[in-house]
Amino acid sequence: EIVLTQSPATLSLSPGESATLSCGASQSVDGNFLAWYQQKRGLAPRLVIYDASTRATGIPDRFSGSGSGTEFTLTISRVEPEDFAVYYCQQYATSPPLTFGQGTRLDI
Amino acid sequence: QLQLLESGPGLVKPSETLSLTCTVSGDFISKSSHYWAWIRQTPGKGLECIGSIYYSGGTYNNPSLKSRVTISVDTSKNQFYLKLTSMTASDTAVYFCARHGPHSGSHHDAFDIWGQGTMVTVSS
Repeated sequence: EIVLTQSPATLSLSPGESATLSCGASQSVDGNFLAWYQQKRGLAPRLVIYDASTRATGIPDRFSGSGSGTEFTLTISRVEPEDFAVYYCQQYATSPPLTFGQGTRLDI
Repeated sequence: QLQLLESGPGLVKPSETLSLTCTVSGDFISKSSHYWAWIRQTPGKGLECIGSIYYSGGTYNNPSLKSRVTISVDTSKNQFYLKLTSMTASDTAVYFCARHGPHSGSHHDAFDIWGQGTMVTVSS
């Protein structure tokens, strides 16, 4: 099972600043099969990035993903008020099981 | 557009079996080349993939849940199902159904469409 560790646990920023969220894997994520999700309180997660760096449909270009192997990053340039949420990474290279990280909370 | 909707009991007694249904609208499971999945979320363990199923019935389940999980599909009703036996308090969670995507034909994929989730509490 691939264990994903996200850092930091909480990131406090102001609107307009840039956010850098990290996701480390316990072993290499083959094919860069890694996704990022945004979850707001009371709602289901929303796919933001897949295949490590491809934005999902409808996701603004201020969101970008990068990385390979065991280290991945989600960057949000110029954070908007609606971006404050919890972000999860997930690997789908090795299963079962597919696994998620524990999340990073992006706070104002 | 494609929508998923979970349904089932909000309260289950310890040792009983949880049965949930995911109804798919806006696409046909039988004509879709996507896998479909159940995921749950707890405050303690976070997001956990329970298992995935293809329209043909092939499944991939989380080994941590061992033989407690059964995922099935009924293409005539455009629904897929989750059964989880021997429920305990640690199974209290929000249960989501989701579609593997945006690629198709594999469970080695992200989850691009999610249901709204249904809260299940295990208590006597």
